[in-house]
Amino acid sequence: DTGVSQDPRHKITKRGQNVTFRCDPISEHNRLYWYRQTLGQGPEFLTYFQNEAQLEKSRLLSDRFSAERPKGSFSTLEIQRTEQGDSAMYLCASRLDGSYEQYFGPGTRLTVT
Amino acid sequence: AQTVTQSQPEMSVQEAETVTLSCTYDTSESDYYLFWYKQPPSRQMILVIRQEAYKQQNATENRFSVNFQKAAKSFSLKISDSQLGDAAMYFCAYTSGGSNYKLTFGKGTLLTVNP
Repeated sequence: DTGVSQDPRHKITKRGQNVTFRCDPISEHNRLYWYRQTLGQGPEFLTYFQNEAQLEKSRLLSDRFSAERPKGSFSTLEIQRTEQGDSAMYLCASRLDGSYEQYFGPGTRLTVT
Repeated sequence: AQTVTQSQPEMSVQEAETVTLSCTYDTSESDYYLFWYKQPPSRQMILVIRQEAYKQQNATENRFSVNFQKAAKSFSLKISDSQLGDAAMYFCAYTSGGSNYKLTFGKGTLLTVNP
């Protein structure tokens, strides 16, 4: 069990560019979540996958955001035409089917200049 | 919608002393789970302790314990014998099966431990 990993850990991009983040959950975990955490706030839910199916999306996930989990293993979160307001920590978490506990990755800190 | 409120933005404690962090929540569900997560500076979120709403007994994990008052919708965290390594942001969180077990977090309490 190597834990949840995320790549990259830090990303600096210019406004208007596209960025993609990757999350590798714990290997046997089929449930995966993305959260966004802005400075001084608690994480906020973005989206949820069961295997490869995206079952829920928050209203925070605008049309510029897209998430995938093509083979039910790793997941990607893409932000198109980034804005300064997208600057945040993007957290991924996973859990085992039948369990309610989520395990978090280290996060990807995005800075949009 | 469920909400989680942490009314203490910052707390401080002397090393070896005890501190209590407060959390209240609002829900109309009867079956849910509550958590305290710890987030050290620039490090990842770590689960500290969990409480199932159907359990009357308060959860305990070593130096960490909770006071779960279901009727009052209160869920406080007590840290005994505080250590320097306890310094972190602490988040209270709620989840339920009715919400796909997604977590709803409070805004956090920044705990400082003074030597």
